[in-house]
Amino acid sequence: EAGVAQSPRYKIIEKRQSVAFWCNPISGHATLYWYQQILGQGPKLLIQFQNNGVVDDSQLPKDRFSAERLKGVDSTLKIQPAKLEDSAVYLCASSTPRGPDEQYFGPGTRLTVT
Amino acid sequence: RKEVEQDPGPFNVPEGATVAFNCTYSNSASQSFFWYRQDCRKEPKLLMSVYSSGNEDGRFTAQLNRASQYISLLIRDSKLSDSATYLCVVNDHAAGNKLTFGGGTRVLVKP
Repeated sequence: EAGVAQSPRYKIIEKRQSVAFWCNPISGHATLYWYQQILGQGPKLLIQFQNNGVVDDSQLPKDRFSAERLKGVDSTLKIQPAKLEDSAVYLCASSTPRGPDEQYFGPGTRLTVT
Repeated sequence: RKEVEQDPGPFNVPEGATVAFNCTYSNSASQSFFWYRQDCRKEPKLLMSVYSSGNEDGRFTAQLNRASQYISLLIRDSKLSDSATYLCVVNDHAAGNKLTFGGGTRVLVKP
């Protein structure tokens, strides 16, 4: 079974530029999550989708971050404009319809904002 | 106060020794608890769920203390390959199955 796919794996941009990340969850997983993990910290949930609907985006900085999952499968996360403090690993995870008790994480995208 | 707190470590452990560490959570309504393992520059992976009665998986034992709102992880007979960051995770079902991660406890097993 293929795992969660993410691209790109690494991205370096200058502050005020825009960036987008892509995630393809495990086939059949209805729930998709985007996390931000700053070095030395645990992952912080940015947004949770159930199919193509948003379940929780309370910690998403909506002035600069946006995410969509239009067809209920893959998803994109965008940052516009980026700030230095956005440097982090962005992890995508998915879980089965039974619940999020086990989330399967993708390899992440390591973003560096200079 | 953070929702889920962990001692960041590192815990330096001689190979073959036992190490244990705790995680405290602030939301008494939390219903499910997990330990995830994260290797350096890798994604987190589920290590084990934590049940009220405590559970064991090989050399790993997890326990839950609801009264004091903490969970623990014990690793026996530590292997070099156990070196990793261990993330405590709490699930609040009432909040739409929201998982909250602790900051992680780093364990370094040395020969």
